[in-house]
Amino acid sequence: SQQGEEDPQALSIQEGENATMNCSYKTSINNLQWYRQNSGRGLVHLILIRSNEREKHSGRLRVTLDTSKKSSSLLITASRAADTASYFCATGLISDTDKLIFGTGTRLQVFP
Amino acid sequence: ETGVTQSPTHLIKTRGQQVTLRCSSQSGHNTVSWYQQALGQGPQFIFQYYREEENGRGNFPPRFSGLQFPNYSSELNVNALELDDSALYLCASSRPLGGSLYGYTFGSGTRLTVV
Repeated sequence: SQQGEEDPQALSIQEGENATMNCSYKTSINNLQWYRQNSGRGLVHLILIRSNEREKHSGRLRVTLDTSKKSSSLLITASRAADTASYFCATGLISDTDKLIFGTGTRLQVFP
Repeated sequence: ETGVTQSPTHLIKTRGQQVTLRCSSQSGHNTVSWYQQALGQGPQFIFQYYREEENGRGNFPPRFSGLQFPNYSSELNVNALELDDSALYLCASSRPLGGSLYGYTFGSGTRLTVV
């Protein structure tokens, strides 16, 4: 079963614009992670935020976490065509921290 | 430092057959997890292996089984294949408890098609 729901399902923007993806989840978490997947290939880990953190940055990525609303957002600033991919949020549960439960993903298309 | 490697990359099997997928974990990683990703969906957790023992299992039937070897490589075996088993199978490795602290390293996956 999927824990997370991501919004939007698909997003198309121009290079240089910012892209924001949202993730909602259902149960209490230990951590939330974001992954990128290019064309049905393997997943690449982008960033991890722990349940006691509210915001985290890594290069052009900014992640926020609101545990009261059970939601997270991923912001990619100054998007590039190479950012075109599917983005997934994944939660590590308090009860079972070594298992990730993935959301349904957002397909991002960045046009040059 | 090598990443996670999976073999084969593509596989076509007939319904009812058995299949074995292989995964070599990243150097220094002794925990291996397997995920199934159906087309257009997010990955779903199958099971995890740590120190050659199963350490957690998702909602998959017993015909999905696995092994981990002393060198931390792993196999996923699926018996009595069904059409719905067609998916991308992903292997992920991490240090002990590293997944919940630093994230996982995924392989490129094995695309299994059952006809």
